[in-house]
Amino acid sequence: SQKIEQNSEALNIQEGKTATLTCNYTNYSPAYLQWYRQDPGRGPVFLLLIRENEKEKRKERLKVTFDTTLKQSLFHITASQPADSATYLCALRSQGNLIFGKGTKLSVKP
Amino acid sequence: DAGVIQSPRHEVTEMGQEVTLRCKPISGHNSLFWYRQTMMRGLELLIYFNNNVPIDDSGMPEDRFSAKMPNASFSTLKIQPSEPRDSAVYFCASSSHTSGGASEQFFGPGTRLTVL
Repeated sequence: SQKIEQNSEALNIQEGKTATLTCNYTNYSPAYLQWYRQDPGRGPVFLLLIRENEKEKRKERLKVTFDTTLKQSLFHITASQPADSATYLCALRSQGNLIFGKGTKLSVKP
Repeated sequence: DAGVIQSPRHEVTEMGQEVTLRCKPISGHNSLFWYRQTMMRGLELLIYFNNNVPIDDSGMPEDRFSAKMPNASFSTLKIQPSEPRDSAVYFCASSSHTSGGASEQFFGPGTRLTVL
């Protein structure tokens, strides 16, 4: 069966450290993968998109990798700040639609 | 631009009542999506419109759910009759879809529905 899994429901880290979130998928062959941020009581907000022929994408303190052999994407936030605390969702495109993981709730402690 | 607009933001109703959720997409966007989010199941796609035409409604749970998009600036999601298990946050999203392209989706603030 098709699955998209984010490795943990919650991740707690200290301010200044690098947060690494994992997104694994099975039985999909996505052309691209997206990452979204969701704050409590709000809709998801798009952060980054990475295509299957791209190994890595960066945007400010964010970095995304995409390994189609491992069927995995890693999402990194360097020099994390308490303001980075939120739920992060990965999403991949399947048959024209976006399929979302359940998200990882990141808490950055000062 | 005001972004995607949804109304109401909160809805509390009793089982058996009809519920109508409304969405105004971002002007110029030609794709519109309705999602449902719960703790158990996460964010699930219910239905997707392109140029006002329903393209994929395979995520609509059952016949109690229906969605319309009468024009490019308005869509509704209706639940009739509502049941307690329909309680969730319903999101509308829009995007500027390009053929085979990768488009980010812009989400509205959501409607939190509680069915008693």
